[in-house]
Amino acid sequence: GESVGLHLPTLSVQEGDNSIINCAYSNSASDYFIWYKQESGKGPQFIIDIRSNMDKRQGQRVTVLLNKTVKHLSLQIAATQPGDSAVYFCAEKEDNYGQNFVFGPGTRLSVLP
Amino acid sequence: DAGVTQSPTHLIKTRGQQVTLRCSPKSGHDTVSWYQQALGQGPQFIFQYYEEEERQRGNFPDRFSGHQFPNYSSELNVNALLLGDSALYLCASSLAGSGRGPDTQYFGPGTRLTVL
Repeated sequence: GESVGLHLPTLSVQEGDNSIINCAYSNSASDYFIWYKQESGKGPQFIIDIRSNMDKRQGQRVTVLLNKTVKHLSLQIAATQPGDSAVYFCAEKEDNYGQNFVFGPGTRLSVLP
Repeated sequence: DAGVTQSPTHLIKTRGQQVTLRCSPKSGHDTVSWYQQALGQGPQFIFQYYEEEERQRGNFPDRFSGHQFPNYSSELNVNALLLGDSALYLCASSLAGSGRGPDTQYFGPGTRLTVL
């Protein structure tokens, strides 16, 4: 069935280094993906999205890569800052009427000083 | 531009009680989705409302019901509360596309429900 999972539940990086958060998905019909950032006590915050007709999309300090062949998604954060510490979720959906997003369990990113 | 708002922020109930949570979507959005997020887990889809009707539902019992009002705001009702209903309840809003399902969802801060 549909599932979205993450390869690593926790990730610790030094401030200033680049971070890479990975996500695997199983629904080959999924064609839209979003990365969310969730800080403690807050709702998920939209970071960046990508559609299945793309394999890379860049935002400010963030890049999302999509490999449909192996059903893998990654989020790259450049020059990681203390404010990037949070739980990151990937979410997928199949583009149909009345769609919903399927979320993975999340990866906790800790930025070390 | 107002984002998604939810009320209340926190709520404590006892088993068997009923609860109503409220959500106002982001300005310009017409679709509201509700999610349940247990501690340490990702959000789980409950249901989605569009044009005042439930359009899609996740794997949740009938104790979970909802409503959408003409101004697009929404309520989530949970009856006969169980201890396992303790969670963060998230509302997400989006704008339905022409002929296709809604797209990017933006989340509110959530309502933390504790059932004792």
